Amino acid sequence: GAVVSQHPSRVICKSGTSVKIECRSLDFQATTMFWYRQFPKQSLMLMATSNEGSKATYEQGVEKDKFLINHASLTLSTLTVTSAHPEDSSFYICSANVIDEQFFGPGTRLTVL
Amino acid sequence: KQEVTQIPAALSVPEGENLVLNCSFTDSAIYNLQWFRQDPGKGLTSLLLIQSSQREQTSGRLNASLDKSSGRSTLYIAASQPGDSATYLCAVRPFVRGYALNFGKGTSLLVTP
Repeated sequence: GAVVSQHPSRVICKSGTSVKIECRSLDFQATTMFWYRQFPKQSLMLMATSNEGSKATYEQGVEKDKFLINHASLTLSTLTVTSAHPEDSSFYICSANVIDEQFFGPGTRLTVL
Repeated sequence: KQEVTQIPAALSVPEGENLVLNCSFTDSAIYNLQWFRQDPGKGLTSLLLIQSSQREQTSGRLNASLDKSSGRSTLYIAASQPGDSATYLCAVRPFVRGYALNFGKGTSLLVTP
């Protein structure tokens, strides 16, 4: 199957700082990538759809100014959590489609102190 | 809005048992359905993909069925092993291509030696 990587796998930061998470498609090109968030014991919830060369589409209730998404190339999308607060602590995971199947990255565990 | 429900939420079985995980969805207008496995703190591994026109898919000891009209899918695991212990997630993709997946909350499976 296709491989999606994420970096970093784990990050701990102080409240008020910004954190950037990278999502890369390693062996295929992805014009669209998806960013999900997963809280403990909960399922994955879509945050936004990242589109190469254009603005991201955010789900209802997700602040676009807080969660900045950039999809500058066909293999890289970045999610920046700006002015992070403890309630932003979560597991962030990205994915991309290859034809009809969706492949996920290993996820990034964000802890905001 | 598509709602995906997985039953049971948790399951503990002795090694060697055959088991069935259930997934139901409210909107039958789906493009496909995917079953994933998630280990603690890790990303998602795609297990099986069933297109809306298909009834079932098999991979090794795993068999997934789809009854689109009734909004149901089952994942059958034969001869369970301790290594099968993980959370199993069901996700449906809306009929319109390019859209992200709608996930259930998952079934947490523990297979005891």
